[in-house]
Amino acid sequence: DIQMTQSPSSLSASVGDRVTITCRASQGIRNDLGWYQQKPGKAPKRLIYAASSLQSGVPSRFSGSGSGTEFTLTISSLQPEDFATYYCLQHNNYPPTFGQGTTVEIK
Amino acid sequence: QVQLVESGGGLVKPGGSLRLSCAASGFSFSDYYMSWIRQAPGKGLEWISGISGSTTIIYNTDSVKGRFTISRDNAKNSLFLQMNSLRAEDTAVYYCGRGVAPAEWGQGTLVTVS
Repeated sequence: DIQMTQSPSSLSASVGDRVTITCRASQGIRNDLGWYQQKPGKAPKRLIYAASSLQSGVPSRFSGSGSGTEFTLTISSLQPEDFATYYCLQHNNYPPTFGQGTTVEIK
Repeated sequence: QVQLVESGGGLVKPGGSLRLSCAASGFSFSDYYMSWIRQAPGKGLEWISGISGSTTIIYNTDSVKGRFTISRDNAKNSLFLQMNSLRAEDTAVYYCGRGVAPAEWGQGTLVTVS
């Protein structure tokens, strides 16, 4: 299985901060990666697909980059509604595997 | 719009069985790969099973292989997960999703094995 190593596991940030979350794949996955946001008690919501494509309806402050083994999710200016847990998911090889998650907390 | 609604969760004893259902609407169900993803309490997400629209591709992770069976009824726009030989570690919220890396998810159904 491909291992997805996500970092950091948690971070504290303030409204307006720029936040960056990284996922590293144990082998190359081209751009077969998505980013998800999950709030407590809710289903995950896809923010980014194909590593850098913004899901329809998702604010433009979210962006994704990377290819191969290293990927980044960036929130350009953190908003109150962005405090949540974020996961990456690779689907280049079976089984699809998630990173362990990054919880973004209020500083 | 795309809607996915899971049902069938509940409390079951170790070694027992449950069958989860996912009712789909708002899209041509038979054209889409469908997935089951679970989340244990306080833990991360785990993709466990997937099935192509024509059922020619079926995949189960090692953690559920031989115990869980994914299936679908395209005529009824429904996805299923038959779960046998349940263990305490199968306790989780189970989500169905459209696609192998789903853009759309159901609300989840809780399975408690105790």
